[in-house]
Amino acid sequence: GQNIDQPTEMTATEGAIVQINCTYQTSGFNGLFWYQQHAGEAPTFLSYNVLDGLEEKGRFSSFLSRSKGYSYLLLKELQMKDSASYLCAVAAGTALIFGKGTTLSVSS
Amino acid sequence: SQTIHQWPATLVQPVGSPLSLECTVEGTSNPNLYWYRQAAGRGLQLLFYSVGIGQISSEVPQNLSASRPQDRQFILSSKKLLLSDSGFYLCAWNRDGVYEQYFGPGTRLTVT
Repeated sequence: GQNIDQPTEMTATEGAIVQINCTYQTSGFNGLFWYQQHAGEAPTFLSYNVLDGLEEKGRFSSFLSRSKGYSYLLLKELQMKDSASYLCAVAAGTALIFGKGTTLSVSS
Repeated sequence: SQTIHQWPATLVQPVGSPLSLECTVEGTSNPNLYWYRQAAGRGLQLLFYSVGIGQISSEVPQNLSASRPQDRQFILSSKKLLLSDSGFYLCAWNRDGVYEQYFGPGTRLTVT
């Protein structure tokens, strides 16, 4: 079957670093995506990993270990606007399979 | 550049009424198109996807249907809505062979 797990909620303070983990078990793997979704809005693309290792993009980084079925999204220098849901998704076959998302709350 | 439109933005419908949600993509040709539903507290659930005109694949059996009458138009329909059909409906597209998907603004449907 297809299974993607990520924590339901996380909290952090402005300026801090937070790591959101994602584990997956899917039949087929063509890469792992992270999307950001603010309340009431559509998801927007953050990152894509297809090979093992760390991809850095500004304050956001994403890591993938295919052998462990594991990824994380690292957010540095947190800002209030980073309060959102973060969706982990695996490309398997034609479509993306999404986790339920992690709601991150950033406080001052 | 490519843009994706959905309408309406919000919709309140009584149980048993029909539904038609529309999605169009501009600035690209022959996109793959997807319909997702996001219910409260749940993840994005893939409902339908299409790789071409008239080609529809259903991921979840239910009282919804989809059609693709034109290359860049994707329609989600129902003959009789259920309370459980309430949710946030998202249309997405990508290019064939590219996995990254781009989402439309969504339609928030409330069935009363």
